Amino acid sequence: KNQVEQSPQSLIILEGKNCTLQCNYTVSPFSNLRWYKQDTGRGPVSLTIMTFSENTKSNGRYTATLDADTKQSSLHITASQLSDSASYICVVSVFQAYSSASKIIFGSGTRLSIRP
Amino acid sequence: DGGITQSPKYLFRKEGQNVTLSCEQNLNHDAMYWYRQDPGQGLRLIYYSQIVNDFQKGDIAEGYSVSREKKESFPLTVTSAQKNPTAFYLCASSVSGRAVYNEQFFGPGTRLTVL
Repeated sequence: KNQVEQSPQSLIILEGKNCTLQCNYTVSPFSNLRWYKQDTGRGPVSLTIMTFSENTKSNGRYTATLDADTKQSSLHITASQLSDSASYICVVSVFQAYSSASKIIFGSGTRLSIRP
Repeated sequence: DGGITQSPKYLFRKEGQNVTLSCEQNLNHDAMYWYRQDPGQGLRLIYYSQIVNDFQKGDIAEGYSVSREKKESFPLTVTSAQKNPTAFYLCASSVSGRAVYNEQFFGPGTRLTVL
């Protein structure tokens, strides 16, 4: 069964500290993996995308890693800011050769709170 | 929110009533999607459309209906048959449904509450 599991479910850190969010998936065959940031009451916004051949991708203070062998990804946030308080969602796409549409599996997200 | 608008932002409905949620995009995207988000759960796909006048059921289509008469518009109707409609509804679009182009741009969402 295609699944995406994220941990921790929630996390509280002090402003300025670093943190790492985890994503494990059992999706096969794998197409790509995205991390989205979702502010409360808003739609998700894409942070990074990685395909099978990529193992790291940065977007400012956000760095995502991918280990396609162990089917794990992480999102590292450096020098956290109050505006980083949001839910972070890991999304994995399944390659479907018989269909022009891709299957997309969403994780349930990690809720990150940054305290001043 | 990436050229996708949803209205209204908040919607209240009495039990037994149908209600339609609006979604419009000006990104010239072929594919559009409707998701439902409940607390502590990942987004679940309700319906998607890869092209005008065509749409397919997602994982939780029961109690919902859609239409795609125009490329820019993909309205979702929550019918009285939906047993637990209170949720946050998100509309998204992508260049196409193919994996290579499937970065989805999301609207701001509509929070539906059934009284």
